[in-house]
Amino acid sequence: NAGVTQTPKFQVLKTGQSMTLQCAQDMNHNSMYWYRQDPGMGLRLIYYSASEGTTDKGEVPNGYNVSRLNKREFSLRLESAAPSQTSVYFCASSVQQIPGLKNYEQYFGPGTRLTVT
Amino acid sequence: GEDVEQSLFLSVREGDSSVINCTYTDSSSTYLYWYKQEPGAGLQLLTYIFSNMDMKQDQRLTVLLNKKDKHLSLRIADTQTGDSAIYFCAEGRPGTASKLTFGTGTRLQVTL
Repeated sequence: NAGVTQTPKFQVLKTGQSMTLQCAQDMNHNSMYWYRQDPGMGLRLIYYSASEGTTDKGEVPNGYNVSRLNKREFSLRLESAAPSQTSVYFCASSVQQIPGLKNYEQYFGPGTRLTVT
Repeated sequence: GEDVEQSLFLSVREGDSSVINCTYTDSSSTYLYWYKQEPGAGLQLLTYIFSNMDMKQDQRLTVLLNKKDKHLSLRIADTQTGDSAIYFCAEGRPGTASKLTFGTGTRLQVTL
């Protein structure tokens, strides 16, 4: 099992350019998440997908869109990149069992370092 | 409220114990987690505790939970240089998608 994989690992964009960050998991997890990590601010949830076919906004969704392509894949799109979106982006997944014992464990990808100039 | 707070930095000598603290504000938190992030990597789950527990021990790690004060701590015994990393506490509440709220992270530096 590769776990959670993310591409690309690094990216530099100019202001106004667009790009899509890719995420895939091979653990048959139901839920997937996109976070951004900025110094001194921990991880902030951008969007999440509770199950295939659903997506919801997190804490900081402005400037981003997501697509849950299938159970394995969850992509994050920046339509018009801004310098404020310079960050490290992490994708995560969790099994989301019912009735909800040890089901909040999230497994993280290695991250994408994005710089917007 | 959904704030989870941690101090930003902790320095300890190799072989000493490290104690990383976390406070949370949401009394409905059910699951509390500690994650470790090594340089240039994603987060790895270290341990967790349910809100109906006071303590959990797992080898060198001890988690203490004070529900009254909404205070969580992670103690690492015999701290090694390989323990140098950023440690995040996170809280989870019942509901869809098992969302977690993360603290700001504590950078642990282990010196020789």
